[in-house]
Amino acid sequence: QKEVEQNSGPLSVPEGAIASLNCTYSDRGSQSFFWYRQYSGKSPELIMSIYSNGDKEDGRFTAQLNKASQYVSLLIRDSQPSDSATYLCAVPKAAGNKLTFGGGTRVLVKP
Amino acid sequence: EAGVTQFPSHSVIEKGQTVTLRCDPISGHDNLYWYRRVMGKEIKFLLHFVKESKQDESGMPNNRFLAERTGGTYSTLKVQPAELEDSGVYFCASNRVWGNEQFFGPGTRLTVL
Repeated sequence: QKEVEQNSGPLSVPEGAIASLNCTYSDRGSQSFFWYRQYSGKSPELIMSIYSNGDKEDGRFTAQLNKASQYVSLLIRDSQPSDSATYLCAVPKAAGNKLTFGGGTRVLVKP
Repeated sequence: EAGVTQFPSHSVIEKGQTVTLRCDPISGHDNLYWYRRVMGKEIKFLLHFVKESKQDESGMPNNRFLAERTGGTYSTLKVQPAELEDSGVYFCASNRVWGNEQFFGPGTRLTVL
């Protein structure tokens, strides 16, 4: 079992719809969870961080965390073509330094 | 505030040659990390510096890889001699506080022929 797992996609959504991305992790001691967006050929860009169970909203993005189920998700509301990218789930080791990444989910938003 | 910068952006070398990658973290960030993404795989951790000290180098693949951060500012990652499987994108990241969000550089795409 991989430490951080994501569906590779592509996840194809029509413009204006909600994109729902999922991530599961294996380390029950994990306390922090990050979502990065990566455009092709570019560096990962942090878009959301979440530390507590529940929902966290930032603009069109909502992160949801369920530590009991070891599950973190990202919702993108009103998806735009500019949201087309690979979304990476990243979980620091319990000691808080190195990030363990999932393989990423490619999202395609079609006009 | 300037972001993390990396040099070169691309490097194409022959197997057996040496390559040195450079990373300049965000000013004031004591923590500097190296990661690598090989084709078709997820981004993987290589090592972590706190200032000039190696805090964790558990991800370094073998002794052909040498990372330094003299003076606690920029860092270099040298691959000597390079092998075909070293091809990939090498990312550098930094943060001020251990455990907080890491900010990534644009990466160096290394191709070993």
